[in-house]
Amino acid sequence: DVKVTQSSRYLVKRTGEKVFLECVQDMDHENMFWYRQDPGLGLRLIYFSYDVKMKEKGDIPEGYSVSREKKERFSLILESASTNQTSMYLCASRQGEQYFGPGTRLTVT
Amino acid sequence: GQSLEQPSEVTAVEGAIVQINCTYQTSGFYGLSWYQQHDGGAPTFLSYNALDGLEETGRFSSFLSRSDSYGYLLLQELQMKDSASYFCAVREDTGRRALTFGSGTRLQVQP
Repeated sequence: DVKVTQSSRYLVKRTGEKVFLECVQDMDHENMFWYRQDPGLGLRLIYFSYDVKMKEKGDIPEGYSVSREKKERFSLILESASTNQTSMYLCASRQGEQYFGPGTRLTVT
Repeated sequence: GQSLEQPSEVTAVEGAIVQINCTYQTSGFYGLSWYQQHDGGAPTFLSYNALDGLEETGRFSSFLSRSDSYGYLLLQELQMKDSASYFCAVREDTGRRALTFGSGTRLQVQP
């Protein structure tokens, strides 16, 4: 069974803090993705990576960066968290079918 | 750019059949996927169509018409546990490796 895990289910941070969201997959997938999910907007792609140290911007990369130092790990970084980044963040990996992690609900106050 | 349209909400009763439609506009098209997401849970894969026609998996079927840029998910013999959000997603045959998702259809199954 493919497993995609995320470091936290719930996170509360203050405006201006640097936030790290970690994602790990155990199936040696090349492709990994970060989405955010907001009511009525579906899943929007923030960044994706198709190999170690490779990254590409998705549809809404502003305010985010990513890091992929190892194949199994893909990190999302909020350099200076803002209240409009309060959301559900979903990590996924894919080789054929796409598998999602359980999500991190981030609240920025 | 890419866009997918699906109804925001559908209501049906237990035992009934429901169809959730999805129309898409993309730069290139490789296939259409469907995902189910229960409240508080992660999206899980249901089905994938790359070719025209119907794919059946138990009570769920998915249809694709590439010429019409249209697909649907058909759920038969509805059960209460089918209450969830359903997302269609397009995989493109361009360099974009990520799926593009619709905004989701919330299905409520009533007794």
